[in-house]
Amino acid sequence: NAGVTQTPKFRVLKTGQSMTLLCAQDMNHEYMYWYRQDPGMGLRLIHYSVGEGTTAKGEVPDGYNVSRLKKQNFLLGLESAAPSQTSVYFCASSGTPAYNEQFFGPGTRLTVL
Amino acid sequence: GENVEQHPSTLSVQEGDSAVIKCTYSDSASNYFPWYKQELGKRPQLIIDIRSNVGEKKDQRIAVTLNKTAKHFSLHITETQPEDSAVYFCAAGGLGDYKLSFGAGTTVTVRA
Repeated sequence: NAGVTQTPKFRVLKTGQSMTLLCAQDMNHEYMYWYRQDPGMGLRLIHYSVGEGTTAKGEVPDGYNVSRLKKQNFLLGLESAAPSQTSVYFCASSGTPAYNEQFFGPGTRLTVL
Repeated sequence: GENVEQHPSTLSVQEGDSAVIKCTYSDSASNYFPWYKQELGKRPQLIIDIRSNVGEKKDQRIAVTLNKTAKHFSLHITETQPEDSAVYFCAAGGLGDYKLSFGAGTTVTVRA
């Protein structure tokens, strides 16, 4: 099993450009999450999904959109990138909520110029 | 929502000594407290977790203690080794909840 994978690993955007980050998991997990990691601020939840076709806002959702059309995939979109969105983005997935262990992907380093 | 505070932000210890990281949380409904370790350039990985019906849990050189009355929990690493150098994150969530709230992280450096 590959676990949780993310595409791409690195990306540089210019202000105003758009892009989509792809997260895929092969563990048949119901729950998927997008976090951003910035120095000194830990992992902040952007959006999450509790099942195929569902999405919900997390702690810092502004400027991002998500979709969960298939159970194994969770997409994070930036419609008009801003320098404040320069960060490392991690996707995670979780099986049963009662256990709550989250398995993380390798991360995507995004720079917005 | 839940607010998790973590201290210290950096910790330097001599190899063989112990390291302690402390976290406090705000939501009394939280009852699941995991700890994640993130090595440089890698993804966070779960190292130990504790549920509210347990006061302490050990796994070899690491242990976690929980005080629900005071709403704080701690990670203890004994006999530290160079491979323990990493960023450690505490988190809190409700069993059956979908989300975790993370602390800001502690950078642990083990000096040889």
